[in-house]
Amino acid sequence: QLQLQESGPGLVKPSETLSLTCSVSGGSISSSNYYWGWIRQPPGKGLEWIGGISYSGSTYYNPSLKSRVTISVDTSKNQFSLNLNSVTAADTTVYYCARHKDGSGWYVDYWGQGTLVTVSS
Amino acid sequence: SYELTQPPSVSVSPGQTASITCSGDKLGDRYACWYQQKPGQSPVLVIYQDKKRPSGIPERFSGSNSGNTATLTISGTQAMDEADYYCQAWDTSAVVFGGGTKLTVL
Repeated sequence: QLQLQESGPGLVKPSETLSLTCSVSGGSISSSNYYWGWIRQPPGKGLEWIGGISYSGSTYYNPSLKSRVTISVDTSKNQFSLNLNSVTAADTTVYYCARHKDGSGWYVDYWGQGTLVTVSS
Repeated sequence: SYELTQPPSVSVSPGQTASITCSGDKLGDRYACWYQQKPGQSPVLVIYQDKKRPSGIPERFSGSNSGNTATLTISGTQAMDEADYYCQAWDTSAVVFGGGTKLTVL
């Protein structure tokens, strides 16, 4: 059974960079036909897609966040990571890592448990 | 940018059929999927590729997609189906989510 687990600081200061890592277990991140993504959800609000990456490093980003986002992959560690720079209070949300199925509407078949990141000084 | 529109809330009586719609320009030309999210939990995929059910999802969940509207239908709705539901599609080079619909079973 595939499992995804987010890790990283729960508190980030305004204007700094938010960095999260997703560790994948129970399967290989190098599987074809999948993208590995980040999705966020402000408390009590809807889902917002941040972006996704293939095992070979091909990336897609939400146009509204693209200027601040970098997603990278480390196949040797079976992990992928999110960097979001110049954060503000509006970036305070629960961040999920996820596996997307490529070529089929990019549906998510596996989700992490989510991690709350608060932006505050 | 592409947008998906869902009604904020839908109410249904136990045992009845609930329908949740998701509207977007020519949505029927692309795959839609649906997630169920209960409070404090990660979303769960309930329908993918318009009408397919993942393993473990009850048969009472079904989906359709045509024209500008995708629909999630829950037949014989149970109290355990009370949750937020999100549609999702892929547009050119980005994932798009609908705003979510709160299903109340009362």
